[in-house]
Amino acid sequence: EPEVTQTPSHQVTQMGQEVILRCVPISNHLYFYWYRQILGQKVEFLVSFYNNEISEKSEIFDDQFSVERPDGSNFTLKIRSTKLEDSAMYFCASSDQGSGNTIYFGEGSWLTVV
Amino acid sequence: SQQGEEDPQALSIQEGENATMNCSYKTSINNLQWYRQNSGRGLVHLILIRSNEREKHSGRLRVTLDTSKKSSSLLITASRAADTASYFCAWLGYGKLTFGQGTILTVHP
Repeated sequence: EPEVTQTPSHQVTQMGQEVILRCVPISNHLYFYWYRQILGQKVEFLVSFYNNEISEKSEIFDDQFSVERPDGSNFTLKIRSTKLEDSAMYFCASSDQGSGNTIYFGEGSWLTVV
Repeated sequence: SQQGEEDPQALSIQEGENATMNCSYKTSINNLQWYRQNSGRGLVHLILIRSNEREKHSGRLRVTLDTSKKSSSLLITASRAADTASYFCAWLGYGKLTFGQGTILTVHP
């Protein structure tokens, strides 16, 4: 079964460093998402992306965050200058339609900021 | 706020029993999806129910949706120890999926 793959599975970074989390969405999907889950808390929406542009973003997704689809297969989340409170599991997701269809999630990338 | 609630927050049952988890939301929705998460792992999609559907089945899972009450329930029948996980409802509205707080289900063998 097709799946969303994410790398790295775990990354430890120093506060203030830039981090890039990578995702390969399911190949025929057109809509892409990033979510995060702080340890012990619920899953929070960060951003949705369609047709090479952001379609929706949350208040969490401030100027420190950016997303990019650099080629036909990858979808990245960049955090420019990490803070301690950015420590979380980051999930990439994709769907073949923006609404009405299943949204599939990857296994996540654990980010620990020290 | 667009947040909703899930109850119970935690549920502990014996293998073979049924587990029912409830979800409430506050906005208009296109559909509602249920996910499962094993500790520290990814979100596994279980079932999707559309706003014009009232009930849906998939194996041992039964989902109901009452849009007038803005609520949904997930029933797992004949539970197994392997069903131990966190279960989240997530509703799709306004172009994004919003998650509930989740229910931690523990099934004792």
